[in-house]
Amino acid sequence: DQQVKQNSPSLSVQEGRISILNCDYTNSMFDYFLWYKKYPAEGPTFLISISSIKDKNEDGRFTVFLNKSAKHLSLHIVPSQPGDSAVYFCAASEGGNTGKLIFGQGTTLQVKP
Amino acid sequence: NAGVMQNPRHLVRRRGQEARLRCSPMKGHSHVYWYRQLPEEGLKFMVYLQKENIIDESGMPKERFSAEFPKEGPSILRIQQVVRGDSAAYFCASSISQKNTEAFFGQGTRLTVV
Repeated sequence: DQQVKQNSPSLSVQEGRISILNCDYTNSMFDYFLWYKKYPAEGPTFLISISSIKDKNEDGRFTVFLNKSAKHLSLHIVPSQPGDSAVYFCAASEGGNTGKLIFGQGTTLQVKP
Repeated sequence: NAGVMQNPRHLVRRRGQEARLRCSPMKGHSHVYWYRQLPEEGLKFMVYLQKENIIDESGMPKERFSAEFPKEGPSILRIQQVVRGDSAAYFCASSISQKNTEAFFGQGTRLTVV
């Protein structure tokens, strides 16, 4: 039972353009969502988060949008840079315990120069 | 302030041996989480510990796996009698509190069972 799904295994965009990574979830009890970035042979690095009481959170080039009715969230990166090339994981937590996370399968982003 | 430290980075064990994975949380963090990532999959929660206590082990296999976080020293994930299917990357994360603060991950231990 995959409660958090990232249906696109990979995404390729041109440098300077927008990258949009999508994530769907099934558990309506999730109340906190996070995006992590991961390079090969390294641990995930926290990028940005959003509480279920909000629909948008912005931090520099990164914006996360949450659509609770559709149980969908997305991460926008603009402008995309080659250094953004990595695997991006969407994660969700329940009851505010943001250490116990349910992760999606990940989307590999490639930003071409 | 050092990040979450995991060692070893790589561990090779023969089938039937024991594997011990260590995790030192960030300074001031008393909440530790272990995750496992199988090839081509996302990270799967295994266990959540606070000092000397297991809070949630709902993701731990029922046999051969155990975890501890003693009063002094690192958290240990122990896998007894390893099998090929235990080959994976094991990540530890720590946080300063349980709620609404991000967890920071270590670089992981890649376990290979031969």
